[in-house]
Order: sequence, then structure tokens, then C-alpha cells
Amino acid sequence: DAGVIQSPRHEVTEMGQEVTLRCKPISGHDYLFWYRQTMMRGLELLIYFNNNVPIDDSGMPEDRFSAKMPNASFSTLKIQPSEPRDSAVYFCASTGTGGTEAFFGQGTRLTVV
Amino acid sequence: DAKTTQPPSMDCAEGRAANLPCNHSTISGNEYVYWYRQIHSQGPQYIIHGLKNNETNEMASLIITEDRKSSTLILPHATLRDTAVYYCIVRVTYSGNTGKLIFGQGTTLQVKP
Repeated sequence: DAGVIQSPRHEVTEMGQEVTLRCKPISGHDYLFWYRQTMMRGLELLIYFNNNVPIDDSGMPEDRFSAKMPNASFSTLKIQPSEPRDSAVYFCASTGTGGTEAFFGQGTRLTVV
Repeated sequence: DAKTTQPPSMDCAEGRAANLPCNHSTISGNEYVYWYRQIHSQGPQYIIHGLKNNETNEMASLIITEDRKSSTLILPHATLRDTAVYYCIVRVTYSGNTGKLIFGQGTTLQVKP
């Protein structure tokens, strides 16, 4: 397996634009997590899914953020409209039920100017 | 999930053992202790986990006190490539459920030549 795959690796966008980050979890994993990392706040859990259903979205900062998981092999995190303070590295991770190891993608570095 | 306390930074000489402490005094009976590390700009990487017994794998050893209120991650022969941020996390893990991974600030380990 190629691991958790995130795209794009880097994204630069202008304030006000819509941004969509993508994640392909490891095949067979039924948990998917989205994290955001900044120098100030560290690694924050935004939302996680189990069997494509959002379980806990309490970490989503505001309504501008939304996440979907239409099937077991794909998830998106959308920011609309984007703001400079959304600049961060966004990580996706997946694990199996009762799994002990969560596997992280390489992250998407988002810069909003 | 219980909270953890780690020193913000530590140094270690190359080739020596690195001992990273973690306090988790509010840990509950069904929570495991997990360790992850994050090398600059990469996604976090699983190292080891344990419930109450000491554990060892090819990367590290985990020593958990008898009362489970603290633990120590041991890298037996640190190399420069072990320079990273190390996160101690407590998390529920059992069949049918997978607790979310909540990252604290971690310990920045600097291995010096």
C-alpha cells in the first residue's frame, strides 16, 4: 500500500477563494482523521470519520470549514472562503477499528495570501 | 481522554540513550499510552504503545510505572536522525472502538554529535 495520500502537497491561494484538500486513506481502514498544524496551536484534530460517517467535528474552527467522506477511499476538507489565518499544514490520517497505529499522510501546506 | 505533561525540550548526545518522560496522572483503566514522533515537516509517525506492561520494539522501549501515572520512552542509541518532536498520548483502544488521537505540545529532542 502506498500509505495515506494527500493532495495537493502545496497550495497557495488568495483570500476569499475556495480551497479543497484531498485525502485517500489506506485501503481497509475505517477511521479517517483530519488535523491542522500551526506553530502557535500545534497539531489540532479537526474532525474524524468512522465508516464514512463524521463522528466528532468539534475541532472544526468555524462554518467556513467542511469535510466529507463520500466513500471509503476518499475524503475532502473544504475551506470557503479562505482567510490568511487558515494558513497551516493539514494532515490526514487513517487507522482500522481497534487499530493501534494511525498512519499519517505527508500533509498539505496551505498558504492563503 | 486523559491529558499528558511532557518537558518542552531535551538534548541527548549521539549514541547515548534518550529517556523521554511523560506524566499522565489522570489516565483511566482502558486508556493506553502511545508515543508518536514528528520529524520536521513530515506527518507524525507511530513509535510504540502500551497498557501497563513494559514494551519494546525495533524503535524504542516503553516503561510504564506500576500506578500507570507516568511513563518513559527510551531510544537506546540515539542518532542524529532521531531529532524530532516526541508526543505522548493516552487513548482508548479496544475492539469496536478507536479513540481519537489528541496531540499535546510534545518534547523536542535534539540529538547532538
